[in-house]
Amino acid sequence: AQSVTQPDIHITVSEGASLELRCNYSYGATPYLFWYVQSPGQGLQLLLKYFSGDTLVQGIKGFEAEFKRSQSSFNLRKPSVHWSDAAEYFCAVGALSGNTPLVFGKGTRLSVIA
Amino acid sequence: DAGITQSPRHKVTETGTPVTLRCHQTENHRYMYWYRQDPGHGLRLIHYSYGVKDTDKGEVSDGYSVSRSKTEDFLLTLESATSSQTSVYFCAISERGNEKLFFGSGTQLSVL
Repeated sequence: AQSVTQPDIHITVSEGASLELRCNYSYGATPYLFWYVQSPGQGLQLLLKYFSGDTLVQGIKGFEAEFKRSQSSFNLRKPSVHWSDAAEYFCAVGALSGNTPLVFGKGTRLSVIA
Repeated sequence: DAGITQSPRHKVTETGTPVTLRCHQTENHRYMYWYRQDPGHGLRLIHYSYGVKDTDKGEVSDGYSVSRSKTEDFLLTLESATSSQTSVYFCAISERGNEKLFFGSGTQLSVL
């Protein structure tokens, strides 16, 4: 069965510091991996996705993620966090077909302090 | 932004009453999904649709039913609401499967 684990429920970083959010997955076939972000009171928005090819993928808002098959991980990174990055971040795994919906992790809430 | 509207945005209801939430899209996307979001549980899939009148259950479908009689509308019904169904409900749509989901702004439902 497919599953996603986000080990950190809540992370606090200082503005300007680097960020890494962890995501580990379990999937029986070639995984397609996603990161979504949810700002307070809003729906989710796609940050980036990995299907194949280069294991380092770039997304919106200066985020990137690296797929490591040997570690079953897809960690999200940003070199310098801005106060507007405070949000909840969700990792998801699945197939490309919509007939097999994505499985989301439980999310990591990011707080940014001055 | 994708044209997706959820209604109502907020609802308070009593235990045992029926409730219907509506998701309306103007994108003509094939796939539509209903999720619920609860603290400590993240996003959990309730039901989804891969075409008109084609629906399937998600991981937390008990107590919920859905209908999709036309492409643009996906209705979620709680036949007899319970307090455990107090949650924030999100609708999502996509054109090509899981490639990119677009989410609505959510419906906050409180069952008293």
